[in-house]
Amino acid sequence: DIQMTQSPSSLSASVGDRVTITCQASQDITNYLNWYQQKPGKAPKLLIYDASSLETGVPSRFSGSGSGTDFTFTISSLQPEDIATYYCQQFDNLPYTFGQGTRLEI
Amino acid sequence: EVQLVESGGGLVQPGRSRRLSCAASGFVFPDYAMHWVRQAPGKGLEWVSGISWNSGRIDYADSVMGRFTVSRDNAKNSLYLQMNSLRPEDTALYYCAKDFGMVRGVILGQFEFWGQGTLVTVSS
Repeated sequence: DIQMTQSPSSLSASVGDRVTITCQASQDITNYLNWYQQKPGKAPKLLIYDASSLETGVPSRFSGSGSGTDFTFTISSLQPEDIATYYCQQFDNLPYTFGQGTRLEI
Repeated sequence: EVQLVESGGGLVQPGRSRRLSCAASGFVFPDYAMHWVRQAPGKGLEWVSGISWNSGRIDYADSVMGRFTVSRDNAKNSLYLQMNSLRPEDTALYYCAKDFGMVRGVILGQFEFWGQGTLVTVSS
């Protein structure tokens, strides 16, 4: 199985900060990577697909980059509503696997 | 608006069975692959199973292979997960999710829309 390792596991930041989360795959997954946001008590929501494409309706302060084994998720200016846990997920190989999550606090 | 509504969760004893359902609306359900993803209490996300639009391809995680069976009824816009020989480690919130793939296309393994989940607790 492909292991997905996110860093950091938790993060505290202030409104307006630039926030960056990294995700490393245990093998080359090209750009077969998604990012999800999960707010407390809610279902996950797809934010970024194919490593860098913004899902329809998602604010442009969210972005993704990377390819191969190293990926980055960025919030350019943190807003209070961005409090959530963020997960990366690979879909290059079965089983589809997720990172352990990054809990973002303000 | 896409809606996915899971049902069928509850408390079940180890070794017993449970069937989950997911009712879909707001999109042409027969045209898209679907998945089950679970989340143990306070833990991360784990993909469980996926099924193509025509049930021609079905995939499972190793942790449920041989115990869980996914199916769909396109006439009823419904997805199912038959869970047998349940174990305490199967305790989780079970989400159904729509695949991001093309109409009647291959399974991509990207989860575009999610339901709110149904909780399965396996305990004696």
